[in-house]
Amino acid sequence: KAGVTQTPRYLIKTRGQQVTLSCSPISGHRSVSWYQQTPGQGLQFLFEYFSETQRNKGNFPGRFSGRQFSNSRSEMNVSTLELGDSALYLCASSLGGLNTDTQYFGPGTRLTVL
Amino acid sequence: SQKIEQNSEALNIQEGKTATLTCNYTNYSPAYLQWYRQDPGRGPVFLLLIRENEKEKRKERLKVTFDTTLKQSLFHITASQPADSATYLCALGNYGQNFVFGPGTRLSVLP
Repeated sequence: KAGVTQTPRYLIKTRGQQVTLSCSPISGHRSVSWYQQTPGQGLQFLFEYFSETQRNKGNFPGRFSGRQFSNSRSEMNVSTLELGDSALYLCASSLGGLNTDTQYFGPGTRLTVL
Repeated sequence: SQKIEQNSEALNIQEGKTATLTCNYTNYSPAYLQWYRQDPGRGPVFLLLIRENEKEKRKERLKVTFDTTLKQSLFHITASQPADSATYLCALGNYGQNFVFGPGTRLSVLP
């Protein structure tokens, strides 16, 4: 069974631009969660989608948004990039969601904002 | 604001001993708590989930306790091995709310 895949793996953008990251969950998984990891702030939760609906949300500004498609693939968008958005962005998938199930993490997308 | 503390930034123990990691929280009423392992350059690996109405969970050499009165979870690795060396993260969640991670404890098991 293929694991969680994230594309692209590396990305360089400049301030003010926008970026879209993609996450393909394990086949059959309906929940996808997104996280930001930085050396200073650690691992922080962005949001969780389950069957195309946002079910949980972290404390990030509205510049961070996401969506989930009917095949459970998910995208995360960051608009008006800031230097502080440089981070490793991870997604995780599970069958039933954060509160019920094993979360499987992808390898992450390393975003650098110049 | 919600705060999670993990006992120490780094913990060194001798191979074969039991490692005990602590996760304390304030300003949060979690419905469940999870523990993860993370190796350098890799995404976290889920280890255990324990719910607020459960006192203890075990999985092979791992044991987790959850005390909602003390607002604390303990994570034990028995018969520790050098391969257990990693950063261990606890995370708290509740339905419809923010899912919060602790800063992690870097465990080193010395041969």
